[in-house]
Amino acid sequence: NAGVTQTPKFQVLKTGQSMTLQCAQDMNHNSMYWYRQDPGMGLRLIYYSASEGTTDKGEVPNGYNVSRLNKREFSLRLESAAPSQTSVYFCASSEGTSIYRVTQYFGPGTRLTVL
Amino acid sequence: AQTVTQSQPEMSVQEAETVTLSCTYDTSESDYYLFWYKQPPSRQMILVIRQEAYKQQNATENRFSVNFQKAAKSFSLKISDSQLGDAAMYFCALTGANSKLTFGKGITLSVRP
Repeated sequence: NAGVTQTPKFQVLKTGQSMTLQCAQDMNHNSMYWYRQDPGMGLRLIYYSASEGTTDKGEVPNGYNVSRLNKREFSLRLESAAPSQTSVYFCASSEGTSIYRVTQYFGPGTRLTVL
Repeated sequence: AQTVTQSQPEMSVQEAETVTLSCTYDTSESDYYLFWYKQPPSRQMILVIRQEAYKQQNATENRFSVNFQKAAKSFSLKISDSQLGDAAMYFCALTGANSKLTFGKGITLSVRP
């Protein structure tokens, strides 16, 4: 089992460019999440999907869109990147369709720099 | 709203010694899970240990154990026989029956050879 995988590992964008971060899990989990990690801030939830076909906003959704492509894949899109979106992005997944009181398993992260 | 506080930004330990990382939290819920995650320089977030609030017994995983004080809302991580590979950032996190996963700001642990 690869667990949770993310592509790319690194990305540099110019302000205004768009890109999609890809995430896939092979643990047959129902719920998937996108977080961002900034220095001194811990991890903050951007969007989540409690089951295939559903998505919901987290704590910091502005500037992002998501797609739950199927049960395995959950992508994060930046339509017009801004320097404030420079961060490390993590995808995670968990069993069941509840996002509460569950154990989440994380991917290796994507370091994104917006110039 | 629930909060997780890790007040020590950095700690250092001698190889083979024991170190304790502190975490306090606040929640209005009675049913919740607490976690410690490890983030080495590779950036991967690795689950170290989980504690269910309803369990009185402290969780252990090999050299890692917790001291869960529910009344004091304290959840510390003890690492015994510290190894160089334990050097990482450690995050405390909390999720309740009605609240999403909330992380502390993390603590950087260095291990001296």
